[in-house]
This record gives sequence, C-alpha cells and structure tokens, in this order.
Amino acid sequence: GAVVSQHPSRVICKSGTSVKIECRSLDFQATTMFWYRQFPKQSLMLMATSNEGSKATYEQGVEKDKFLINHASLTLSTLTVTSAHPEDSSFYICSALPTPGQGASNYGYTFGSGTRLTVV
Amino acid sequence: QKEVEQDPGPLSVPEGAIVSLNCTYSNSAFQYFMWYRQYSRKGPELLMYTYSSGNKEDGRFTAQVDKSSKYISLFIRDSQPSDSATYLCAISLGGGATNKLIFGTGTLLAVQP
Repeated sequence: GAVVSQHPSRVICKSGTSVKIECRSLDFQATTMFWYRQFPKQSLMLMATSNEGSKATYEQGVEKDKFLINHASLTLSTLTVTSAHPEDSSFYICSALPTPGQGASNYGYTFGSGTRLTVV
Repeated sequence: QKEVEQDPGPLSVPEGAIVSLNCTYSNSAFQYFMWYRQYSRKGPELLMYTYSSGNKEDGRFTAQVDKSSKYISLFIRDSQPSDSATYLCAISLGGGATNKLIFGTGTLLAVQP
C-alpha cells in the first residue's frame, strides 16, 4: 500500500533556529503533498498545499516566509520552520496524494507519522 | 459555525460493544466523506471513505452518510482494545488535489478490556 515517510519524528530546537522536516512518498509518486499542524486535542489544520515544481499554496493566516515549503521532486516535500519560537511547538503532519494513473486511490490521502516539534 | 462538528469525547466502552461515532457538517456541497483513525503521536490512517449518501461496510466498520441531514457516522462492531484511538471525520468537496480535506476535531475512543 501507499506509504509516506516523515522525518524526523521528534525534534527539539532552540528558539531562533530553523528546523527542516521531510516528507517522502516511498512507493508512489505524489504531485501534491499537504502540510498540517495539530495542537493537542485539536484537529488537523491545513497549512499549505505543496505542488511539485511550483510554489506552495498557503492557507489564510499561515506565514509563507516562516514556513518554507519545497517540493522539488515527485517523492519529496520539505517544510522548514524558520526562526522557530516556542509558539511554533506543535505536531506537524504531511500527507501525499498519488499522481493519477498509478493505480492508487485518489481519495483519502496517505499521511506521514508526524513530527513533534518542541522549541525551547 | 464550524464546517465540521465532532464530539471530542472521550468515549469509553467495554470490549465487544458497538461504537457509534458521528459528525455533522454545514455545507451541502460536500461530496466525499472519510474516517481516519489516529493513534497517539502518529499520523492519521484512512479507515473508510464514501461518496455521497449511503452505507459502506468493511469488516467491523460501517460508514454511513445522510446528506439530507448533513450527518455522517462510523460504526464499529465488536470493538477491541486495539480500536482505542482518536477517530477523525474528514470531508471534501471533491476527490482530487484541488479539494482539500476539512477535519473534525476527532473523538477519543477507549475500549476497556
């Protein structure tokens, strides 16, 4: 089945530093990937839609200069949290949508296992 | 009004019970309805998806959509301790990349052995 690998699973960084999170589709190509943020006991909030070879589309209220997204290949998208602050501490999750024509379902995007970011 | 409403629980049931999880939504244009299971500190895992009104069954799980009431349900039969997790409903206008998923807050389920 479709597998999405997210790395690292947990990271602690100092305030003011940058952190990069990787999202890889392991056995399928994904033209589109999504980045979510989840606070404790809250739902997933879409931050941005990442499209291979083009600029990401950010949701309202998400700072694109703070959350840099790069989708350089059909199997890899990265989210970089720049100049992280304690309020950026959260659970970040990516999901990938298979490129049509691969025989994989176009519904119910496959999610990574998430990255717990703690900024101290 | 939120686009998707879901009772956060927690919901505690004995092993073997039938579990009913529900969401309501506000926009009648939504066409695709999904249920995800999320274990603690893990990403969501797709359980079921349905298109428009009706029922869909997969093993112990049944997803039900009532578009007239804007109400979706997930039933779990013969619940097991391993079913203990947060269950999230998600809805979408369409099935492609341009139609983003909107999630409910999730219901925390605990199945007691």
